[in-house]
Amino acid sequence: KNQVEQSPQSLIILEGKNCTLQCNYTVSPFSNLRWYKQDTGRGPVSLTIMTFSENTKSNGRYTATLDADTKQSSLHITASQLSDSASYICVVTRLNNNAGNMLTFGGGTRLMVKP
Amino acid sequence: SQTIHQWPATLVQPVGSPLSLECTVEGTSNPNLYWYRQAAGRGLQLLFYSVGIGQISSEVPQNLSASRPQDRQFILSSKKLLLSDSGFYLCASREGYTDTQYFGPGTRLTVL
Repeated sequence: KNQVEQSPQSLIILEGKNCTLQCNYTVSPFSNLRWYKQDTGRGPVSLTIMTFSENTKSNGRYTATLDADTKQSSLHITASQLSDSASYICVVTRLNNNAGNMLTFGGGTRLMVKP
Repeated sequence: SQTIHQWPATLVQPVGSPLSLECTVEGTSNPNLYWYRQAAGRGLQLLFYSVGIGQISSEVPQNLSASRPQDRQFILSSKKLLLSDSGFYLCASREGYTDTQYFGPGTRLTVL
């Protein structure tokens, strides 16, 4: 069964601290993995996308890693800011010619950054 | 890049009333379009997708329906809303060559 599990479900950190969010998946065959940031009441916005051959990708203070062998990904946030408070969603795309049902969404990690 | 518009932003409807949510896309042509529902504190659930005008595929059985009357317009409808239809509805558009989905701002639907 194609699944994406994220941990922790929620996280509270102090402003300026670093944190790491985890994503484990069983989706196969694998095409790519994305991390999205979703502010409360808004649509998700893509942060990073990684294919099978990519191990790490950065976008400002966000760094995503991918281990395709163990089917694990992480999102590391450096020097957190209050604006980082949001839900972070891991999405795995299955290699499929079908236009629909090719994305598997994780349940998300709700991050709260406190001053 | 694409821009996805959704309206209304919020909606409060009584049980049994009809529903029409609209999504329009700018900055692309012939996109694949998607409707998702996100329950409070839950992940996204794919409801419908469309690969072209008049072509709709449903992922889950429900009392909702979707239509695509124009290339960049996607509509989510219901004849009679249920309490369980409450949620956050997201429209998304996919560029085939980048395989990236762009999401709209969402519609918060509350059925009372």
